[in-house]
Amino acid sequence: GQQVMQIPQYQHVQEGEDFTTYCNSSTTLSNIQWYKQRPGGHPVFLIQLVKSGEVKKQKRLTFQFGEAKKNSSLHITATQTTDVGTYFCAGPNLGHVGGKLIFGQGTELSVKP
Amino acid sequence: KAGVTQTPRYLIKTRGQQVTLSCSPISGHRSVSWYQQTPGQGLQFLFEYFSETQRNKGNFPGRFSGRQFSNSRSEMNVSTLELGDSALYLCASSLWRDQETQYFGPGTRLLVL
Repeated sequence: GQQVMQIPQYQHVQEGEDFTTYCNSSTTLSNIQWYKQRPGGHPVFLIQLVKSGEVKKQKRLTFQFGEAKKNSSLHITATQTTDVGTYFCAGPNLGHVGGKLIFGQGTELSVKP
Repeated sequence: KAGVTQTPRYLIKTRGQQVTLSCSPISGHRSVSWYQQTPGQGLQFLFEYFSETQRNKGNFPGRFSGRQFSNSRSEMNVSTLELGDSALYLCASSLWRDQETQYFGPGTRLLVL
């Protein structure tokens, strides 16, 4: 079945270092979405990418959608302690069973001050 | 505009009991989805409701059920609770059935003893 995979599962960085998480889909996607869940919190929608090769920036966060629309990445420049949390990517569910989105397992980011 | 609200926020039950969780979507949103989140299991889709009808169901036993009311508010029920049902239950709403972006509520943290 359709799968969305994220790597790495965990990433520990020193404050100020960069961080990247990668998302790979088993199928071509019409769009990819990214969510952030702070510890003890709930997932919050960050952004949606639609176009092949699209790059969007939100302050220190850079999101990229691959040319084949099967992969995506989130890069954080100069991490801060406020970046701590789990980052999920999600793609539309192309099947008839299951939710609207297929979520990756998430990348948990910890930042050491 | 107020976000998705869920009640109660925390709940402690014992095995064999049943529980009802409530979700009020963002005003105007008509699609409500429920997810179970446990450490290491990511976001597991439970079911989706739109216009008071269950549109999709995840791979959960029949002990998990839900419904949606005419005002789009939704409830989910878990009967005969098991220890493994301890989890964060998240409700997410979207404006329309074919809108994929999910706006999550704060969740109900259920502990089964």
